[in-house]
Amino acid sequence: GAVVSQHPSRVICKSGTSVKIECRSLDFQATTMFWYRQFPKQSLMLMATSNEGSKATYEQGVEKDKFLINHASLTLSTLTVTSAHPEDSSFYICSARLRGQGLETQYFGPGTRLLVL
Amino acid sequence: GQNIDQPTEMTATEGAIVQINCTYQTSGFNGLFWYQQHAGEAPTFLSYNVLDGLEEKGRFSSFLSRSKGYSYLLLKELQMKDSASYLCAVSRLGFQKLVFGTGTRLLVSP
Repeated sequence: GAVVSQHPSRVICKSGTSVKIECRSLDFQATTMFWYRQFPKQSLMLMATSNEGSKATYEQGVEKDKFLINHASLTLSTLTVTSAHPEDSSFYICSARLRGQGLETQYFGPGTRLLVL
Repeated sequence: GQNIDQPTEMTATEGAIVQINCTYQTSGFNGLFWYQQHAGEAPTFLSYNVLDGLEEKGRFSSFLSRSKGYSYLLLKELQMKDSASYLCAVSRLGFQKLVFGTGTRLLVSP
């Protein structure tokens, strides 16, 4: 099956610094990538939808200036958490949708655990 | 708005059958997904229902009733490795995204 990778898998940073998370589709082209956030014992909350070559669409309540998303190619999307604070500590998961396919072909990455001290 | 509800936690015994329910209220409903998520890992796709009825896939089956806004995931012959969270998610016509339910943590005991 299709593989989506995320890097790093785990990151610890100081409050006020910025952190970049990469999401790559390894063996397929993904026109759309999704970024989710998951707090402990809670479900996945969609943060934004990233389309290759265009601006990301953010969900209500998600600050686009704080969570910068870049989808420069059909295999790579990045999420940058700027000026991170302890409340940004969470599990960030990306997913990628196969080009021309429906949501049932959405493949999830392994997630990135962010801890902001 | 949208509302997707699942029980928070369920427990069951190895070898048994368990049914995890999901109710939803949303406009423009298109289809319903079930995912399994082990702690600290990404969700993995289990099933996708668009039409009413039961879809069986090995030990797992998923049911959908569009008129009732109701779905369930049925797990048979439970194994210890089935201990995980089970997430239902809804897709809507014209929207290329999923909205996830609250998730159900299933604990399978010996």
